Amino acid sequence: NAGVTQTPKFQVLKTGQSMTLQCAQDMNHEYMSWYRQDPGMGLRLIHYSVGAGITDQGEVPNGYNVSRSTTEDFPLRLLSAAPSQTSVYFCASSWAGGDGYTFGSGTRLTVV
Amino acid sequence: DAKTTQPPSMDCAEGRAANLPCNHSTISGNEYVYWYRQIHSQGPQYIIHGLKNNETNEMASLIITEDRKSSTLILPHATLRDTAVYYCIVWDYKLSFGAGTTVTVRA
Repeated sequence: NAGVTQTPKFQVLKTGQSMTLQCAQDMNHEYMSWYRQDPGMGLRLIHYSVGAGITDQGEVPNGYNVSRSTTEDFPLRLLSAAPSQTSVYFCASSWAGGDGYTFGSGTRLTVV
Repeated sequence: DAKTTQPPSMDCAEGRAANLPCNHSTISGNEYVYWYRQIHSQGPQYIIHGLKNNETNEMASLIITEDRKSSTLILPHATLRDTAVYYCIVWDYKLSFGAGTTVTVRA
């Protein structure tokens, strides 16, 4: 099992560019989530999904889109990057029964 | 969402037990208490969870009060590698992190 795989690990974007952060899990987990963590701060929930075809907003969804067409993948799209979106992004997945989320190693994004 | 309250920081001596408190007075009857930790800039790591009964695994023990309004995470023999931010979370199928407790284990 690879667990939760996030790509890329590092990315630099220019203001206004768009990109997709990839997240894939091979554990057949129903639940998947995206978080951002700004320097010195806690994690904030962006979007989450309780199964393929089902997504919902978290605490800070503005500027981000998600879709869940398969159980394995949960990509996060930045529509028009802004410097305020400079952060570390974590993807996580879990069984519906909640044995604990497994987190990826993160994508470090810088928007200049 | 039920909220949790944790002390912002605490120190612990290496080899001693670390007891991390958490208040969750608005928890509902079917909501679980989860504990995670984040070491430096790594992704958070699941530690343990429970509903009503005390739980123990290879990493820690979780003590939940009978009224479920608070809980304590116990690291039985803290090591320097346990230095991290510890998060207590009431889980309702989405995981919302608070500020956590920064635990520093000192030699």
